[in-house]
Amino acid sequence: KQEVTQIPAALSVPEGENLVLNCSFTDSAIYNLQWFRQDPGKGLTSLLLIQSSQREQTSGRLNASLDKSSGRSTLYIAASQPGDSATYLCAVRLTTTDSWGKLQFGAGTQVVVTP
Amino acid sequence: DGGITQSPKYLFRKEGQNVTLSCEQNLNHDAMYWYRQDPGQGLRLIYYSQIVNDFQKGDIAEGYSVSREKKESFPLTVTSAQKNPTAFYLCASSISSRPATNSPLHFGNGTRLTVT
Repeated sequence: KQEVTQIPAALSVPEGENLVLNCSFTDSAIYNLQWFRQDPGKGLTSLLLIQSSQREQTSGRLNASLDKSSGRSTLYIAASQPGDSATYLCAVRLTTTDSWGKLQFGAGTQVVVTP
Repeated sequence: DGGITQSPKYLFRKEGQNVTLSCEQNLNHDAMYWYRQDPGQGLRLIYYSQIVNDFQKGDIAEGYSVSREKKESFPLTVTSAQKNPTAFYLCASSISSRPATNSPLHFGNGTRLTVT
């Protein structure tokens, strides 16, 4: 059974520092991996989606890497700002023998960026 | 603006009552999903629908029911059989559920249900 882990559960950094968020998964047979941001009491906003054939994906200050063989993905946020404070979740899309690829979510890392 | 609308934002019910959570999308997506989020846990899949008039159970379907009569609507009913219904419920959609399309999930803003 696929397990997705995000460590640490919470993280606090001063403004301007780079953020490094980790996501690990136990089964490398995945279609893709998606990073989300969740603000308190809100839904999830998709940040980046990395296909299994890709090594990384970039959007503005965000960069996500994927190492399938070691079961890891890392989300880098450059020059953090207080507005980056949120919970960040990763999810892997599982490969299956049928047409449905279920998403397995991690519990998230809660980030606080202090001014 | 295209998106997913969940209503209401907060819902309070007495134990033993059924309650229905609304989810509407105008993204023209085929696939829709219901997730439950509890503190310190990842999202867990309740039900999903790949196409109109079709839906399948997820990992924690017991005590829940859904319908998919229209492409844009996927309501979730929390029945009295659900043992621990207090949670944050999230509805999502994607262009397709087929993994080869690599289509990302889009989420609504959630409904917080409290049952006392």
